Amino acid sequence: AQTVTQSQPEMSVQEAETVTLSCTYDTSENNYYLFWYKQPPSRQMILVIRQEAYKQQNATENRFSVNFQKAAKSFSLKISDSQLGDTAMYFCAFMKHEETSGSRLTFGEGTQLTVNP
Amino acid sequence: DAGVTQSPTHLIKTRGQQVTLRCSPKSGHDTVSWYQQALGQGPQFIFQYYEEEERQRGNFPDRFSGHQFPNYSSELNVNALLLGDSALYLCASSYRTVRSRETQYFGPGTRLLVL
Repeated sequence: AQTVTQSQPEMSVQEAETVTLSCTYDTSENNYYLFWYKQPPSRQMILVIRQEAYKQQNATENRFSVNFQKAAKSFSLKISDSQLGDTAMYFCAFMKHEETSGSRLTFGEGTQLTVNP
Repeated sequence: DAGVTQSPTHLIKTRGQQVTLRCSPKSGHDTVSWYQQALGQGPQFIFQYYEEEERQRGNFPDRFSGHQFPNYSSELNVNALLLGDSALYLCASSYRTVRSRETQYFGPGTRLLVL
């Protein structure tokens, strides 16, 4: 079974600064996907960024980028130019590649990020 | 482009009752997954439906059952409700491609309170 660990329950950052959220995972699979989702107080789960394990290049989406270290099983999220609207719970999630059967997301426990003005 | 929708948004039930939650996937998606999220925790996978069949199931008792309709919408049924079933129930939809490049998009959730 896969496990996802987010060791930082809470973090805070000043507006316009950069922050990095950590995530490690444990798997014996070689082909998988990693995701970061954010969940603001409305509790709507919103996709932030996605990484395919076979791709060596780190994914980026505007102010959001990841540092994917496959050998170390590490998948951190960097948020640049933090904005007040980035305040949310951030979840790291793992999905095993499946050709025939269904696929599931395995989530970490989350990191509550607060952006201060 | 309509996103994932869920109904109802909130629900209050008493122990022992049964509940049905509904989900309509994002336009073009054919796969629906259900998750339970207790307060302060990450979501836990319940099951996934594709082609009207349950394809994978998480560690949930048989009291949790589901269905997928020909239009890809889905229902989650929970029988004999327990206090511990109080949670946010999230539905996620995705498109199952040959390479299984499934990115799951979530609905707003249904908040269930069992008294």
